[in-house]
Order: sequence, then structure tokens, then C-alpha cells
Amino acid sequence: DTEVTQTPKHLVMGMTNKKSLKCEQHMGHRAMYWYKQKAKKPPELMFVYSYEKLSINESVPSRFSPECPNSSLLNLHLHALQPEDSALYLCASSPRPFFVTFKETQYFGPGTRLLVL
Amino acid sequence: AQSVTQPDIHITVSEGASLELRCNYSYGATPYLFWYVQSPGQGLQLLLKYFSGDTLVQGIKGFEAEFKRSQSSFNLRKPSVHWSDAAEYFCAVVPMNSGGYQKVTFGTGTKLQVIP
Repeated sequence: DTEVTQTPKHLVMGMTNKKSLKCEQHMGHRAMYWYKQKAKKPPELMFVYSYEKLSINESVPSRFSPECPNSSLLNLHLHALQPEDSALYLCASSPRPFFVTFKETQYFGPGTRLLVL
Repeated sequence: AQSVTQPDIHITVSEGASLELRCNYSYGATPYLFWYVQSPGQGLQLLLKYFSGDTLVQGIKGFEAEFKRSQSSFNLRKPSVHWSDAAEYFCAVVPMNSGGYQKVTFGTGTKLQVIP
């Protein structure tokens, strides 16, 4: 199984809503990532979890709250989002955090397309 | 400043024609290099990667890329394009000896259109 799954595929939420995005992998990977991709732009890193601990936060606003309950699961909790937060949210995983050192790669999920009204 | 550049925002090729997508980087040392493809509304799929060694790298779906140190380039090629190759292509780099986390930086992407 070399797949990263993400749910839901699409999400529409109001600015006062609370919602969560879910990401799952069963490859035994110990690093997981959240990226944000605006339309016609490249992905931008948001968070990195290394062995279930948050290791990188790329200055993301607190209305985005990541959680890694176990080594297979990564959540992104959303609260009081703004319309400019509408984007494709991509989850990725890699066997280890320093994946290129070991000549490994990241595996990306299909993403959750979020629309904030 | 460190950067990765994809000079072509949009490229149109005829089905069956050859393809070359350009990628240039500006880093002190040769970074690790990747090419990803993203179909509309989809996630990213790794086409190929270069860490070291042979400068001509073979990937999936018939793609290859050549690393040229003298030109700081890692161009993606395919001899004969299929209609299903229409997608967005991203070049990506991870600096060598970056210390701390190995952050992937993506180029701005090249959108490939394939015409019959």
C-alpha cells in the first residue's frame, strides 16, 4: 500500500465554522506534512510532523491547528477561516523526516479542496 | 537568493511530438532535484528524482530528465507526448546540507496542453 488518503475531497465552510481535514497513510512513514496550494500556484509547506511531534510550523495562522494522534493519521483542524484560506490542502508523508539524506521521497495525497464562504 | 525557476508558464504541444520542460535552480551547492506532475484537481505524483550519480534520470510514464551542473538545469523530456500527459508539471528542489528540516521548494509550474 503506497497510498496517502485524504478526506473529505471537497469542503465548503463558513467563516464561523469548525471543521477538520483528515490524512491517513499505512506505509509506516514517520514524517507527515501539510501543504497549502492556492489556484495556479505551487504547494507551500505549512506543517511537518516528525515521529508524531510537530517539528515545523511555517508561521501558519493559529486558525489552522494540526494534530497527529498516531503515526498513521494526521488532522488539520480549521476554525474561523477567511475566504483567502480557500485552497487545495495537500497531505504528504515520507519514511523519515530527512528523507533525501536516505534517498527517499515524499508521497502526496489527492488533496482536500476547501472553499471558505 | 536560492530559487528554482520554471521559465515556461504554459506550453502547447501536438500529440506525438517531443517535449522539454525547463527547470533552473540557483543554490550554492547542487540541490536534490525532483519533477512532479499534477493532473487537474489531483495531488502530486513523483515522476523522477536526482540525488547523485548518472546525470540522465529515467522516470515513470516515459519521462526522463538530465541534470546539467554547468547550466544549473534539470530539464524534463519525453520523446512522444500523449494526450493524457496534459497536466501541470512542477520542478522541486531540496538544498543539500540544509540543516534542520529538508524543505521542498517547488517551482511555479508549467502547464502542458496537448492538442490532437
